[in-house]
Amino acid sequence: GAVVSQHPSWVICKSGTSVKIECRSLDFQATTMFWYRQFPKQSLMLMATSNEGSKATYEQGVEKDKFLINHASLTLSTLTVTSAHPEDSSFYICSARAPSDYEQYFGPGTRLTVT
Amino acid sequence: GQNIDQPTEMTATEGAIVQINCTYQTSGFNGLFWYQQHAGEAPTFLSYNVLDGLEEKGRFSSFLSRSKGYSYLLLKELQMKDSASYLCAVTDSNYQLIWGAGTKLIIKP
Repeated sequence: GAVVSQHPSWVICKSGTSVKIECRSLDFQATTMFWYRQFPKQSLMLMATSNEGSKATYEQGVEKDKFLINHASLTLSTLTVTSAHPEDSSFYICSARAPSDYEQYFGPGTRLTVT
Repeated sequence: GQNIDQPTEMTATEGAIVQINCTYQTSGFNGLFWYQQHAGEAPTFLSYNVLDGLEEKGRFSSFLSRSKGYSYLLLKELQMKDSASYLCAVTDSNYQLIWGAGTKLIIKP
């Protein structure tokens, strides 16, 4: 089946620094990738949708200058949390969808802790 | 607006059957998903319904009624490992996934 990886699986950083999270589709080409955030005991919240080669579409309330998304190839999307603050600490999950496919395949998630 | 409702929490006994309901109101409909999510892990795909009726897959079955905006996930022969959150999600007319808040299922021995 389709496999999506994320790196790193967890990261601790200091307040004010930037963190980059990678999302890769390992055995299929993902024209669309999604970035989600999930706080403890809450449901998934879609942050943005990215299509390869074009700018990401951000959900209302998500700052595009703070959460930089790059979908430069059909197998890689990156999310950079710039100037991270403790309130950005969360579980970040990416998913990928292949062309003409209805299912989103999820990565294992990245747990970010900002101290 | 778009809305998906499912119970916050349910409790069931090992070996029993449990039904988790989901109702939705979305702008358009292109399918309904059920995902399982264990604590601290990403969601894993369980089922997909786009036509009315019941889809059976092992111990798990999912039902859809588009006219009623209603789905349920049926789990049989419950095992302790089934303790997890179950997420209902609907694909709207723009093929965007609209997520429910999830139902936390607690299995007791």
